[in-house]
Amino acid sequence: EVQVVESGGGLVQPGGSLRLSCAASGFIFTNCWLSWVRQAPGKGLEWVANIRQDGSEKYYVDSVKGRFTISRDNAKNSLYLQMNSLRAEDTAVYYCVRDACNSDTSDTGTLDSWGQGTLVTVSS
Amino acid sequence: DIVMTQSPDSLAVSLGERATINCKSSQSVLYSSNNRNYLAWFQQKPGQPPKLLIYWASTRESGVPDRFSGSGSATDFTLTISSLQAEDVAVYYCLQYYHSPRTFGQGTKVEIK
Repeated sequence: EVQVVESGGGLVQPGGSLRLSCAASGFIFTNCWLSWVRQAPGKGLEWVANIRQDGSEKYYVDSVKGRFTISRDNAKNSLYLQMNSLRAEDTAVYYCVRDACNSDTSDTGTLDSWGQGTLVTVSS
Repeated sequence: DIVMTQSPDSLAVSLGERATINCKSSQSVLYSSNNRNYLAWFQQKPGQPPKLLIYWASTRESGVPDRFSGSGSATDFTLTISSLQAEDVAVYYCLQYYHSPRTFGQGTKVEIK
């Protein structure tokens, strides 16, 4: 069974930093891109960033470029999101999501397995 | 970036009736080399993470009831619930995964009339 479990959320002051982690299991980790998606309270879904299987390509939504860094540790089947210079508008539930995979792992090509999310609150 | 626009923002449908949600992309998400539309649909119920319903615009994810169907190509797409059930009350989102940044529609809330 595919599982992704986020951790690391919490309350942080504006301008502060936080590092989110995601532990994955139940699939060949190195076969898949991985994404972070967030959802502000009462709002819609916003894709944040993704990373290629070997970490060689990374993409970000404009609103987090230069502040957030996505990374992965394939030896630990783990995904990370380093968030710096946090703002009130970054307050959201952050989801770790399996993205496109090699066809022998998944043929959906997209965000097919989601964690339960971790809440990040940016407030003084 | 590709902008995804859903309509309507909300709709109320009687049990057993059809619900139709539209999604329009600001540019084509049809990849000519494999003739696939990089468009997915998600369902999100309160307090839960989103769930993938449809990918490649019309392929139903395993375990998704066949009352859910997706159609369309290039820039115009539709999610249809053929006979609305009580458990289908949720917010539905479209997503383009043609390239990064991936972008979602703003969501459509489906309720029972």
